[in-house]
Amino acid sequence: RKEVEQDPGPFNVPEGATVAFNCTYSNSASQSFFWYRQDCRKEPKLLMSVYSSGNEDGRFTAQLNRASQYISLLIRDSKLSDSATYLCVVNLRGNTPLVFGKGTRLSVIA
Amino acid sequence: NAGVMQNPRHLVRRRGQEARLRCSPMKGHSHVYWYRQLPEEGLKFMVYLQKENIIDESGMPKERFSAEFPKEGPSILRIQQVVRGDSAAYFCASSPGLARGETQYFGPGTRLLVL
Repeated sequence: RKEVEQDPGPFNVPEGATVAFNCTYSNSASQSFFWYRQDCRKEPKLLMSVYSSGNEDGRFTAQLNRASQYISLLIRDSKLSDSATYLCVVNLRGNTPLVFGKGTRLSVIA
Repeated sequence: NAGVMQNPRHLVRRRGQEARLRCSPMKGHSHVYWYRQLPEEGLKFMVYLQKENIIDESGMPKERFSAEFPKEGPSILRIQQVVRGDSAAYFCASSPGLARGETQYFGPGTRLLVL
């Protein structure tokens, strides 16, 4: 089983749509969780951390279910500029390597 | 406040040559991580260093690859006798390493092409 698994995508959605990405992780001892965004031929950039209580940042909402080892990202009112690959990232603890999913590609279409 | 810097941004080598990739962490960051991204693949951890120490090299291939982070100057990822399979994007990330949940910030990457 892969350490971090994501929906393979691609997701092609119209502007204004709501889209949800799912992710599962295998190591139950993992302590920190993130969503990164990677544009084509660019470096990953932190989109948001994911907290047990769930957290929201504008149009983006992240959820974590530790019992199911499941992470989600919801994007509301999609914009063309949201087109990118979204990476689910897990960290065992501080000062250890990040473990990346393969990413889910999103294309928002006008 | 400059971010993580990497150079060169693009590197072309012929099979058998050496590749040297450099990474300068963000100011105040003493922890450096190297990741590799093969075409159409996710990022894979290679090595984690602090100043003058290799902390974790479990992701490094056993041969031809080495890394250092000297007391002065950038971190260097060195690939000897490159092969076509080494063609990838190599990303460096840094963190201050102070707190649980502190994430890592990535440089723009070096895209290595082996002919």
